Amino acid sequence: GIQVEQSPPDLILQEGANSTLRCNFSDSVNNLQWFHQNPWGQLINLFYIPSGTKQNGRLSATTVATERYSLLYISSSQTTDSGVYFCAVNSQTSYDKVIFGPGTSLSVIP
Amino acid sequence: GAVVSQHPSRVICKSGTSVKIECRSLDFQATTMFWYRQFPKQSLMLMATSNEGSKATYEQGVEKDKFLINHASLTLSTLTVTSAHPEDSSFYICSYPDRVGEQFFGPGTRLTVL
Repeated sequence: GIQVEQSPPDLILQEGANSTLRCNFSDSVNNLQWFHQNPWGQLINLFYIPSGTKQNGRLSATTVATERYSLLYISSSQTTDSGVYFCAVNSQTSYDKVIFGPGTSLSVIP
Repeated sequence: GAVVSQHPSRVICKSGTSVKIECRSLDFQATTMFWYRQFPKQSLMLMATSNEGSKATYEQGVEKDKFLINHASLTLSTLTVTSAHPEDSSFYICSYPDRVGEQFFGPGTRLTVL
């Protein structure tokens, strides 16, 4: 099945800094989503982005489907950005199944 | 996006008992939804795909007789952990896909088996 990798696995930022999180996937995908899991476990939808670029406030994401990667940009980070960021994909061969990457654990310190 | 609820949010039970977790889509109807399990410091692992009106499809390594799934309607799916043991302690999360396939997740249920 499709493999999903995320880097870096852990990241510590000073408040106000910018960061880029990366998601690589091993097969063609129909859908790709970025989520933020907060300390209570709730998964918050950040982007639904099978291709192209989207922006939402301080966050933006780019997916280059032909090269099988996606990037999540966080600018002017805040302590509330702390948590785990997951990339999840639906492969074209298993359309209904959503496979999660291992996540990037982000800590933003004041 | 779709709003998904789960109940209970937290449950503690004795070893050998069964626990039922409900997952509801509050504003969207879906013939398919998904159950995931997440152990501490790990990612979400798909357990099964729940299909309204038919049997669930389980991922490899997930015991269908232990994790009973019932998708009784387009807005309700239940997961029953039968004869729970301490190793079943985990965070269980459901999700519904909307019409374009974007997944929306419930808040999760934290199960602790003593």
